[in-house]
Amino acid sequence: AQSVTQLDSQVPVFEEAPVELRCNYSSSVSVYLFWYVQYPNQGLQLLLKYLSGSTLVKGINGFEAEFNKSQTSFHLRKPSVHISDTAEYFCAVLSGGYQKVTFGIGTKLQVIP
Amino acid sequence: DTGVSQDPRHKITKRGQNVTFRCDPISEHNRLYWYRQTLGQGPEFLTYFQNEAQLEKSRLLSDRFSAERPKGSFSTLEIQRTEQGDSAMYLCASTSRGGGTEAFFGQGTRLTVV
Repeated sequence: AQSVTQLDSQVPVFEEAPVELRCNYSSSVSVYLFWYVQYPNQGLQLLLKYLSGSTLVKGINGFEAEFNKSQTSFHLRKPSVHISDTAEYFCAVLSGGYQKVTFGIGTKLQVIP
Repeated sequence: DTGVSQDPRHKITKRGQNVTFRCDPISEHNRLYWYRQTLGQGPEFLTYFQNEAQLEKSRLLSDRFSAERPKGSFSTLEIQRTEQGDSAMYLCASTSRGGGTEAFFGQGTRLTVV
């Protein structure tokens, strides 16, 4: 089975401060990992994805994530957040042999001016 | 715009009524997914199609739910005899192939059952 745990339901952070959103996954086989962002009343937009290769993945809007196989983690980071980053962020996993992506429950990022 | 399109964006219906949602995927994508998202939760898988074949259905998809993709292009999701618990955002996504390819999501249909 595949699953995703996002431990932080809400993360408040001041504008221009760094942020890390945590994600841990569970899977018995190789995985693909994703971070999506959702703005209010919108669908999901892909921020970045890890398929293979370099464990540090860079995405849109200045976000990056690091795949850590030993810790089964895929934490999302941004060195300096902007007000426009206020949104909900979903970590997702797709394991070998599965045909659909499993999402975490999401982390609401609130950037404080 | 060549993204995934969903219609309607919002639907308010009375309990017991039937509703139908439509999803138009990106034209060259052969896989189409339906997800449901309730408040405070991430999207939960409902079903997916490869071309016109419905290959998997979640146990969340009760007998009142049915999805079709008759010509392998657009898809419809019908909910019969709606219940208040059906209130959610219904998301459609499409991909060109399985395994690691980005899923492109539509903007969703928000259903409110009163």
